[in-house]
Amino acid sequence: NAGVTQTPKFQVLKTGQSMTLQCAQDMNHEYMSWYRQDPGMGLRLIHYSVGAGITDQGEVPNGYNVSRSTTEDFPLRLLSAAPSQTSVYFCASRSPGTGYTFGSGTRLTVV
Amino acid sequence: SQQGEEDPQALSIQEGENATMNCSYKTSINNLQWYRQNSGRGLVHLILIRSNEREKHSGRLRVTLDTSKKSSSLLITASRAADTASYFCATDDSTTSGTYKYIFGTGTRLKVLA
Repeated sequence: NAGVTQTPKFQVLKTGQSMTLQCAQDMNHEYMSWYRQDPGMGLRLIHYSVGAGITDQGEVPNGYNVSRSTTEDFPLRLLSAAPSQTSVYFCASRSPGTGYTFGSGTRLTVV
Repeated sequence: SQQGEEDPQALSIQEGENATMNCSYKTSINNLQWYRQNSGRGLVHLILIRSNEREKHSGRLRVTLDTSKKSSSLLITASRAADTASYFCATDDSTTSGTYKYIFGTGTRLKVLA
């Protein structure tokens, strides 16, 4: 089925560990974004991309890196996990002038 | 800080009633979007309204936009138990990043009682 695929769905990390959250879309969307969702905070934008090779920071970029080597993939890297990064992470993609298609999310716990 | 703020934070209504939720934002925009999120799931896009539009309909959904007041409303008519979800508005910022990125509000939690 066409859409946005996020892996893994659940992850537990120890403080200081690094990991990559994967995101892939098969709709040939130019724009892709990563959001985190915390209780009572809504969704906050971490990083976004407007095309392969082009990325920019969102509202809360610290502690995260992204790259966009292909149109389809937009991985999010946690450099050194901290308990404050415990959250649900959503990847989303869209074409210009349209709404986002969201993935099903990755629930990350940092202990 | 959040660009959009939804009001009320929570809303509980009886099945068949109408539900209205509001979104206020801070900067000039190109577009405003509404999304629905069922518990534990990803967000689903409902409607996109452009800054030169005042009203838009989709099925039982009606969205209005007042750019002079920097506000939007989402009306769900004849609500159903299946409409129970959180609803979010998202706005771009025409003064800085254009339509490249969207900032979400904190959401309205709607509960429809059968």
